[in-house]
Amino acid sequence: GAVVSQHPSRVICKSGTSVKIECRSLDFQATTMFWYRQFPKQSLMLMATSNEGSKATYEQGVEKDKFLINHASLTLSTLTVTSAHPEDSSFYICSASGGSSTDTQYFGPGTRLTVL
Amino acid sequence: RKEVEQDPGPFNVPEGATVAFNCTYSNSASQSFFWYRQDCRKEPKLLMSVYSSGNEDGRFTAQLNRASQYISLLIRDSKLSDSATYLCVVNRRGTYKYIFGTGTRLKVLA
Repeated sequence: GAVVSQHPSRVICKSGTSVKIECRSLDFQATTMFWYRQFPKQSLMLMATSNEGSKATYEQGVEKDKFLINHASLTLSTLTVTSAHPEDSSFYICSASGGSSTDTQYFGPGTRLTVL
Repeated sequence: RKEVEQDPGPFNVPEGATVAFNCTYSNSASQSFFWYRQDCRKEPKLLMSVYSSGNEDGRFTAQLNRASQYISLLIRDSKLSDSATYLCVVNRRGTYKYIFGTGTRLKVLA
């Protein structure tokens, strides 16, 4: 299957700082990338969908000014958690697909964010 | 009611057992169906897509019943390495979105 990388794998930061997470598709062009959040013992919740070169579409309840998403190329999307607070501590996972609505999504290894 | 529902388990089974999971979905416009496996603190990994005709991959068999809106996963001859959370995933027609179930936790015991 296709390979998606995420960096960093783990980050610990102080409250009020901003954290940037990168998601890269290594061997295919990802027209669409997705950002999910997963709290302990819960399922993945979609935060936003991003298409290369256009603004991300955020799910209801997700603050677009707090979770900044940029999808500048067909192989890279970034999620920036601005002014992070302890309640933002979570497992953030990206996925990438080729763009057709039936395309399989390939997931990155996730980023575990801890905000102190 | 959640759009995709699964029994959270855990299902504790001995090695070699056969175990089956079901998943129901509420949106009849759902188009594509998948089973993903997620190990603790790791990302989900695609186990198999699910087709109306049913499909098999080694010890794993997936079935889709559109009339009753459920999908199933059967694991035969369970191995210790099958211990994980199994996520039912549904994709709505005409969208890119995956809707995840909460997952069913499986523990295979020696």
